[in-house]
Amino acid sequence: EAQVTQNPRYLITVTGKKLTVTCSQNMNHEYMSWYRQDPGLGLRQIYYSMNVEVTDKGDVPEGYKVSRKEKRNFPLILESPSPNQTSLYFCASDGTGAGNEQFFGPGTRLTVL
Amino acid sequence: EDQVTQSPEALRLQEGESSSLNCSYTVSGLRGLFWYRQDPGKGPEFLFTLYSAGEEKEKERLKATLTKKESFLHITAPKPEDSATYLCAVQAMDSNYQLIWGAGTKLIIKP
Repeated sequence: EAQVTQNPRYLITVTGKKLTVTCSQNMNHEYMSWYRQDPGLGLRQIYYSMNVEVTDKGDVPEGYKVSRKEKRNFPLILESPSPNQTSLYFCASDGTGAGNEQFFGPGTRLTVL
Repeated sequence: EDQVTQSPEALRLQEGESSSLNCSYTVSGLRGLFWYRQDPGKGPEFLFTLYSAGEEKEKERLKATLTKKESFLHITAPKPEDSATYLCAVQAMDSNYQLIWGAGTKLIIKP
């Protein structure tokens, strides 16, 4: 089954404690992206990757890091989380290579205390 | 500034009552406009891509249309299972493939 998986699905942590949210896709897609979704603000892109070892900032990259060492994986790293990073996070991948028809993961709900 | 505005924020309809959702956009040059559906607790699911004014796409009870300033998602004789949040996004010509998303319209279909 074609899918994007994220782990963990739910996470409660404290300010400053480094965390990683994993994302994996099994569709051999080159394009992958991370979003955060907050009420009333819609989806905002954090980082995206057009291919292995190619990453670029989205609209809200501050406080986040990513890496793309393999085509299937695109982890999101919060080195020192803060309460304003409490949000619902989605990973997505796209087979068109242009970010058009994105497959989204199930989401990770993060709470930073 | 590139911008996407969706209206209404929420829409309640009776089963079978047709209506339309609106997505107004401002971009320097449109590469594409996209509609997604999002169910509670899930990630968005791709529905349609529209590239040029006058284009239409259909899927079951949904039809998406595009003008130079806005897109409509028409829902004909909706059923309760059509209840979801519908998201609109645009991609500008000079965007390096980034999408600009609207805040969504929450659609509730009552049986």
